[in-house]
Amino acid sequence: GAVVSQHPSRVICKSGTSVKIECRSLDFQATTMFWYRQFPKQSLMLMATSNEGSKATYEQGVEKDKFLINHASLTLSTLTVTSAHPEDSSFYICSARPHDRGLGGYTFGSGTRLTVV
Amino acid sequence: AQSVTQLDSQVPVFEEAPVELRCNYSSSVSVYLFWYVQYPNQGLQLLLKYLSGSTLVKGINGFEAEFNKSQTSFHLRKPSVHISDTAEYFCAVRTSGNTPLVFGKGTRLSVIA
Repeated sequence: GAVVSQHPSRVICKSGTSVKIECRSLDFQATTMFWYRQFPKQSLMLMATSNEGSKATYEQGVEKDKFLINHASLTLSTLTVTSAHPEDSSFYICSARPHDRGLGGYTFGSGTRLTVV
Repeated sequence: AQSVTQLDSQVPVFEEAPVELRCNYSSSVSVYLFWYVQYPNQGLQLLLKYLSGSTLVKGINGFEAEFNKSQTSFHLRKPSVHISDTAEYFCAVRTSGNTPLVFGKGTRLSVIA
């Protein structure tokens, strides 16, 4: 149980276009999802906390107008990279936790490798 | 705020040898501790976690970790590594409530045949 599906796994887009990444909790409801960004050979940096039915909470330094997060249902959160540039190329990972899972139980998606050319 | 320090960015070790990956944390409140493994171009898989109780925690794939509150450490160990253990390992902490994980910079474990 507690499976998080992230799609697409890889995407290449042209500079200036927008890309949408989906994160779905397949067998549980997630009122909160977390979006991370990982640069090559580096750690995961929290970008934002996605809350179902309300606005996302962004970490300091993350442009909320560039990284649009929508959490319209209890099983789906999306991250849209708008007007992508090469410096946005990175590995993006989402995470969620069943609300009844207690203190542990964070599950991660398989990640999305974004390459902006 | 919490922070995690993984002192070793890379750890090479021969197959069947023991390994320890070090993790220290800083926090003004109680935290819960985790170790994750990441294979190339994949998400993170939970190895083990410490929430409360016994300070020695056993996880999957033969890994274990010991929580040491006085030294604010949570080192990961395996008595005999395999080639398949080659991966990136991340230590992480979080506080209570619906809070995100804070990760260390990771340690690249390379198992040499």
